[in-house]
Amino acid sequence: QVQLVQSGAEVKRPGASVKVSCKASGYTFITSDITWVRQAPGHGLEWMGWISANNGNTNFAQKVQGRVTMTTDTRTNTAYMELRSLISDDTAVYYCARRSGVTWFDPWGQGTLVTVSS
Amino acid sequence: QSALTQPASVSGSPGQSITISCTGTSSDIGDFNYVSWYQQHPVKAPKLLIYDVSNRPSGVSHRFSGSKSGYTASLTISGLQAEDEADYYCSSYTTTSTVIFGGGTKLTVL
Repeated sequence: QVQLVQSGAEVKRPGASVKVSCKASGYTFITSDITWVRQAPGHGLEWMGWISANNGNTNFAQKVQGRVTMTTDTRTNTAYMELRSLISDDTAVYYCARRSGVTWFDPWGQGTLVTVSS
Repeated sequence: QSALTQPASVSGSPGQSITISCTGTSSDIGDFNYVSWYQQHPVKAPKLLIYDVSNRPSGVSHRFSGSKSGYTASLTISGLQAEDEADYYCSSYTTTSTVIFGGGTKLTVL
């Protein structure tokens, strides 16, 4: 079955960077985009962007544009999301998901908690 | 761009039907039939319920249905069950080629 498995929780200082991985299995990796969505504690979902696993094209939300990099490794079927210049408001659970249609995401990874604290 | 507007909470008794609304603008829901709905139980990842306004992925119960009129999309859950108690989020494609989510609705099964 299609499955996305993410890397473990991270604790970072303000100003640092974090890189979260998302390993896909159960489908041909290059046939779908991977999207990233985050959820701050007690808050709703926030779309961050997506990357084509086929050609690396990206599309980012304006809020994180300039601080985020999304990449894929087709040798290991893994997607990565790196967020730089972290601030406390970046504390959230970060999810990857397979972009299965124009705007529908299925399935989702289990989530990675990133805590930004001094 | 502001989030799509959802009621903060709704409730219903087992067996009843409830509807959750999701209101956007001409730049998102009003311009595309690309509305999705997700269910999220506590400390779990979201699960896709509805895509492209009214389509159900395989494995999703027929009790869940979606619709759209103008700038408002709706999710209806019929025959409420205790396991339906969760947070529900809508999302839409936008005219800037991005995705926007609703603020989420907490469903309580009484």
